[in-house]
Amino acid sequence: DAKTTQPTSMDCAEGRAANLPCNHSTISGNEYVYWYRQIHSQGPQYIIHGLKNNETNEMASLIITEDRKSSTLILPHATLRDTAVYYCIVRVASKWGAQKLVFGQGTRLTINP
Amino acid sequence: DAGVIQSPRHEVTEMGQEVTLRCKPISGHDYLFWYRQTMMRGLELLIYFNNNVPIDDSGMPEDRFSAKMPNASFSTLKIQPSEPRDSAVYFCASSDVAREEVSPPQHFGDGTRLSIL
Repeated sequence: DAKTTQPTSMDCAEGRAANLPCNHSTISGNEYVYWYRQIHSQGPQYIIHGLKNNETNEMASLIITEDRKSSTLILPHATLRDTAVYYCIVRVASKWGAQKLVFGQGTRLTINP
Repeated sequence: DAGVIQSPRHEVTEMGQEVTLRCKPISGHDYLFWYRQTMMRGLELLIYFNNNVPIDDSGMPEDRFSAKMPNASFSTLKIQPSEPRDSAVYFCASSDVAREEVSPPQHFGDGTRLSIL
């Protein structure tokens, strides 16, 4: 699975958009980009995933560059409850045989009032 | 759906005692994963099952750790004997490979916080 690089920490003001970058320059053509987050004392929570196209759901938007070497997770209107560690993971879909999710150190996002 | 259910939420025990952690996956899911999280090593995969059969246990730290899945709705992770360095948060996760295109690859429980004194 491709390795990812994320900033160690970020700050964002409440109500503003939080943009979390992730570099995955060695990504393969059949590897997806997944985002999870972990709020203190809870299990990791799925946010969104994508292959090539930009994706949006009720939680966030995922912007993947055309060369797929990097992506950005966008929380459009951050709240204090979005304070968490955010993990960017690159992996092929399970139908291609991969099952493991390999978690790096992630980005610790702090939303300030 | 109730989600992945783990018990107990907290466990404090003395060194040398046997510890059993329990997990109930989401109904219908065919994969089950056990993870351990520490400050030093982050979140690491210990073992995973497919249709109740262990597939990859390469992350199990040593023979003191064992995991079983006697049926599709229950799994245990056992540590015997326990040591202080086993103190961590242990997470269970499950997945439905057939639905992965439209749902999360893994759903996590809220973990068991284990402290070995």
